[in-house]
Amino acid sequence: DAGVTQSPTHLIKTRGQQVTLRCSPKSGHDTVSWYQQALGQGPQFIFQYYEEEERQRGNFPDRFSGHQFPNYSSELNVNALLLGDSALYLCASSFLQGADNSPLHFGNGTRLTVT
Amino acid sequence: GEDVEQSLFLSVREGDSSVINCTYTDSSSTYLYWYKQEPGAGLQLLTYIFSNMDMKQDQRLTVLLNKKDKHLSLRIADTQTGDSAIYFCAESLDSNYQLIWGAGTKLIIKP
Repeated sequence: DAGVTQSPTHLIKTRGQQVTLRCSPKSGHDTVSWYQQALGQGPQFIFQYYEEEERQRGNFPDRFSGHQFPNYSSELNVNALLLGDSALYLCASSFLQGADNSPLHFGNGTRLTVT
Repeated sequence: GEDVEQSLFLSVREGDSSVINCTYTDSSSTYLYWYKQEPGAGLQLLTYIFSNMDMKQDQRLTVLLNKKDKHLSLRIADTQTGDSAIYFCAESLDSNYQLIWGAGTKLIIKP
């Protein structure tokens, strides 16, 4: 049973560029959340997708956008990259139980470096 | 606002018990979680507890929740070198739409 998979594992971009990160959820999961983890800190919630729509969003600018596909996989897009966007980007999946989500299962992340 | 606090480091001898502590501020949290992160890796769900429970045990792991003091702890019995990692405490808000995380406690194992 494959867990959450993310690609690529590492990425180096230049300021001002755009980046797309990809995530496939754990089998049986229908909800994808994205988190940003800066070095030495806990993760920060970016947004969550369910049924191809953004359910909730954290305190991140509009430069951060996402998409969920019919097969539940998801993409995170970041435009106009800043040096401060350098971080580990984590994807987590879960499934909806009534109004609640099951516990989140995380992928190994994409390490983004902006130079 | 919401805040989750943890000590940054804990050092224990191999074979001893480790107790990692966490305090949170939001009394409406529904679930509280412990995740483990090894170097260069993602976050591994260790265990979680529903807010109406006081204790949960899972093999070497024991979670204690004191809702009155908003205090959560993770006890690892018979700590092994493979337990070296950063342990994150997190609380859920809004039916798990988002988790609020502590900064993580680095567990150091002494031989």
